[in-house]
Amino acid sequence: TAGITQAPTSQILAAGRSMTLRCTQDMRHNAMYWYRQDLGLGLRLIHYSNTAGTTGKGEVPDGYSVSRANTDDFPLTLASAVPSQTSVYFCASSRSAGDQETQYFGPGTRLLVL
Amino acid sequence: GQNIDQPTEMTATEGAIVQINCTYQTSGFNGLFWYQQHAGEAPTFLSYNVLDGLEEKGRFSSFLSRSKGYSYLLLKELQMKDSASYLCAVMDSNYQLIWGAGTKLIIKP
Repeated sequence: TAGITQAPTSQILAAGRSMTLRCTQDMRHNAMYWYRQDLGLGLRLIHYSNTAGTTGKGEVPDGYSVSRANTDDFPLTLASAVPSQTSVYFCASSRSAGDQETQYFGPGTRLLVL
Repeated sequence: GQNIDQPTEMTATEGAIVQINCTYQTSGFNGLFWYQQHAGEAPTFLSYNVLDGLEEKGRFSSFLSRSKGYSYLLLKELQMKDSASYLCAVMDSNYQLIWGAGTKLIIKP
């Protein structure tokens, strides 16, 4: 079972360019999440989706957008990248958005914005 | 504000026992998670506590005191492969996870 896959693995992006980070899960999980992880900081939630067709803003949503057209896919788009968006991005999913639900993480995308 | 505190780094010896502490202040509480993250890899689930007390799972145990806003992860019989970062996360009243910055555990032979 693949679990959660993310693409690309890493990317160097010029400031001002747009980019979409892809995330796909095959566990039929209802809830999906995008986090960024920066040195010295905890994982921070960017956007989430409790079920297909719905999305919500997390702690640090500015500069990012998401869509959830189906259960499996949850792409994250940077419309106009800035250097402060240099980070490691993790996609995660859980069976539902309720308590006791473990989140499972993809391998991450390492993004450098110059 | 919401806050999760854990030590930045700890060092322990192979075969020994280490306790990693986590204190939290969050808006609501719907459980506390511990994850392990090896360098350059994704976090992986270790344990979940929602009631006070100790949960044991092999060499790893996790403790929770909700009244004190405190948890610890206990690792026994340390192995070199346990060298990793250990992340504490609390699920708040909105069922979102609030994450600590992680504790980097260094195991020495």
